[in-house]
Amino acid sequence: DVKVTQSSRYLVKRTGEKVFLECVQDMDHENMFWYRQDPGLGLRLIYFSYDVKMKEKGDIPEGYSVSREKKERFSLILESASTNQTSMYLCASTPREGGPYEQYFGPGTRLTVT
Amino acid sequence: AQKVTQAQTEISVVEKEDVTLDCVYETRDTTYYLFWYKQPPSGELVFLIRRNSFDEQNEISGRYSWNFQKSTSSFNFTITASQVVDSAVYFCALSLDQSRPGFQKLVFGTGTRLLVSP
Repeated sequence: DVKVTQSSRYLVKRTGEKVFLECVQDMDHENMFWYRQDPGLGLRLIYFSYDVKMKEKGDIPEGYSVSREKKERFSLILESASTNQTSMYLCASTPREGGPYEQYFGPGTRLTVT
Repeated sequence: AQKVTQAQTEISVVEKEDVTLDCVYETRDTTYYLFWYKQPPSGELVFLIRRNSFDEQNEISGRYSWNFQKSTSSFNFTITASQVVDSAVYFCALSLDQSRPGFQKLVFGTGTRLLVSP
């Protein structure tokens, strides 16, 4: 079974802090994604990566950056957390070849910025 | 632009009732894929089905069935004889067949929360 894990289920940070959200997948998938989920807005894509050190902006990249130094790990970085970044963050992965395949999701990190 | 609309924000039913979740999509592409995901209270999205734009056959999997109609741009999901364990948020999503390698972007609807009471 594909497993996508996220470093924390719940996180509370202060405004202005630098925040790292980590995601690891164990199925050698090339593609990895970061979404945020907000009530009434569904899931919105922040960034995705289709290979190590490769990244592309999604629909709402402002205020975020990402890092992909190893194939299995995709990190989302909030350079200076703000209260409007309080949200549920979901990581996903999928193979590159063929498809599009279904995306495999992690359990999510609920981030609160105070 | 691509868009997925799930007009039903929340649906409440009593166990054993049938329920249909609506999904309407917009795209100008002729090749595309539609998905349904379930998000139980634990938070992790679970894949339910993928359907490509060339396959309009309805799909049945146990108590779940899907009705894809290109004429109305809809991909509706029906749960027959609902159970409490079906309580979750359900998302419909659209993916295009991109030419760029590795790029598989999903456009999600806003989700429908289904509450099944005993």
